[in-house]
Parts: sequence; C-alpha cells; structure tokens
Amino acid sequence: AQTVTQSQPEMSVQEAETVTLSCTYDTSESDYYLFWYKQPPSRQMILVIRQEAYKQQNATENRFSVNFQKAAKSFSLKISDSQLGDAAMYFCAYGGGTSYGKLTFGQGTILTVHP
Amino acid sequence: GAVVSQHPSRVICKSGTSVKIECRSLDFQATTMFWYRQFPKQSLMLMATSNEGSKATYEQGVEKDKFLINHASLTLSTLTVTSAHPEDSSFYICSAGRENYQETQYFGPGTRLLVL
Repeated sequence: AQTVTQSQPEMSVQEAETVTLSCTYDTSESDYYLFWYKQPPSRQMILVIRQEAYKQQNATENRFSVNFQKAAKSFSLKISDSQLGDAAMYFCAYGGGTSYGKLTFGQGTILTVHP
Repeated sequence: GAVVSQHPSRVICKSGTSVKIECRSLDFQATTMFWYRQFPKQSLMLMATSNEGSKATYEQGVEKDKFLINHASLTLSTLTVTSAHPEDSSFYICSAGRENYQETQYFGPGTRLLVL
C-alpha cells in the first residue's frame, strides 16, 4: 500500500518570504501522480499543483513550485513571496497509476503567514 | 478547473435519523466519485469509491450498510448516513475527476454533519 508522510505538523513564514513544505511517499508503482492541495479555513480543498511521475521537470504554478526527487520519493512544495492568503492546511497526496482518482493523503501541514 | 458541488453544506439531525448528502459535478461528467471523511485538523480518510451504474467500493473498516452510496447518473452521487449517531458527526467531502483525466480530482466544498 502507498503511504504519504508530511513530517511538519506546523510551519510559519513571514509575508513576502519563502517557505518549503516537505512530503515523502512510498510506492512500488512506476506510474503515478503527486499533488499538493490547500485547505483554507473554509475547508474547501483547492488544487495547488500536480506532478506526473514520468516527468523529470519540476512543476511550477506562479509562486508555487515543487522539488520532485523520484529516487528519494520526495515531493516538497516551495511557496515564494508568501501572502496572507496562503495561510491554510496543506496536504500532499498520491494518486496511483492503477486507480486513477483514488488519493492517499499525508497528515497535513498547517501554514501560518505572519504580516 | 472543474466544479463540484455538495448539498447540504451543513446539517444537524437527531440520533437515529438518516441523512442524505449530494455530490454533483456541475460542468463535467464523472463515472467515478470519491467520498472522504475528515475530523478537525486531521487528514482526509477515503471512505468509498462511487461508481456510476454499479455498486460502490468501500474501504476497509467502513460499514457499507451504514454509509449507503448511490451513483445514479454521471453527475450525481449521494451518500446516506443511516441511523446516524453522534460518532458519525464529521465533515464529509466528495471528489470527482473529468472523464479520461481522473488522476486530478476536484473537491466539493464539504458537508458538516452534527448528530445530536
């Protein structure tokens, strides 16, 4: 079975600074996807970024980028120029190649942004 | 992106009653939807996979007679919590993905259930 681990229960960052959230996963599958979702206080899950395992290039979405290390099974999220609206719980998720759509989530990291 | 709605957003019921939660994909068709449960400040736990036109697949430890799932159309899945008890109080979230692109899931806004 696949597992996803987020070892940072809480993180904080100053507005306009950069922060990196860590995620590791374990799988025996060769075809899979990785995601970062954001859950603000409204509790609506919002897709931040996705990465296909077969792609070597790290995904980027505006201020959000990932560092995907396939051999190390590591998938960290970097948030640049942090904004107050980035404050939320962030979940790393794994989606396997044999069961598209079925996601395994990490424990989550609560991100606080200080003005 | 894609839009997924849930109704109701919040429900309070008495112990022993049944509650139905709807999950709709608004601008796409979804042959498969997923139902999750989330406790405060915890992660999402997958409860079941809802398959259009066939029986749902439940995760280990989830009572299928307690949590009835019906996926009657390509845009609607329902979760019915039968004979609800206070321990069923939780936040329930559904997700769906576009046909042929199901690896990326879009989530409904969730339903907060409180059983008194």
